[in-house]
Amino acid sequence: DIQMTQSPSSLSASVGDRVTITCRASQTISTYLNWYQQKPGTAPKLLIYVASSLQSGVPSRFSGSGSGTDFTLTISSLQPEDFATYYCQQSYNTPWTFGQGTKVEIK
Amino acid sequence: QVQLQESGPGLVKPSQTLSLTCTVSYGSISSGGYCWSWIRQHPGKGLEWIGCIYYSGSTHYNPSLKSRLIISVDTSKNQFSLRLSSVTAADTAVYFCARENLVAGIHYFDYWGQGALVTVSS
Repeated sequence: DIQMTQSPSSLSASVGDRVTITCRASQTISTYLNWYQQKPGTAPKLLIYVASSLQSGVPSRFSGSGSGTDFTLTISSLQPEDFATYYCQQSYNTPWTFGQGTKVEIK
Repeated sequence: QVQLQESGPGLVKPSQTLSLTCTVSYGSISSGGYCWSWIRQHPGKGLEWIGCIYYSGSTHYNPSLKSRLIISVDTSKNQFSLRLSSVTAADTAVYFCARENLVAGIHYFDYWGQGALVTVSS
């Protein structure tokens, strides 16, 4: 199975901050990398697919980049509604696997 | 837009079979280009892909669960189902159904159910 490792596991930030979350795959996955946002008690929500494509309806302050084994999710200006846990997921080979999550908390 | 809703018992005894159904609304499960999926989340933990089924009945399973897993589809009811046998406490989790979009060979989960907590306990 392809292992996905996110860093950091958690971070504290303020409204308006630029936030960057990193995801590393245990082998190359080209750009087959998706990002999800999950708030407590709710299902994950798709933000980014194939590394950098913004899902319809997702604010443009979210962006993704990377290829191969290293990927980044960036929130350009953190908003109150962005405090959540973020997961990366590889869609290169089954079984699809997710990172362990990065919790973004209020500073 | 498409909506998914899980249903089934919230409590299952050890060694028994966990059964859940996902009902799809505002979209046909028989539409091509999707694999109808199950994903679980252990309490306070990350996400684990369980498997998926095409409307044709073809399936993909996570090898770690394959020996205990059956996913089926009922196109007449616009539903798909999960059966996981010989459960233990380690199967306690929130179970999500989701639509895996397969556009142009790209795979991502674009619609999710709200999740159903299943506890394995005697």
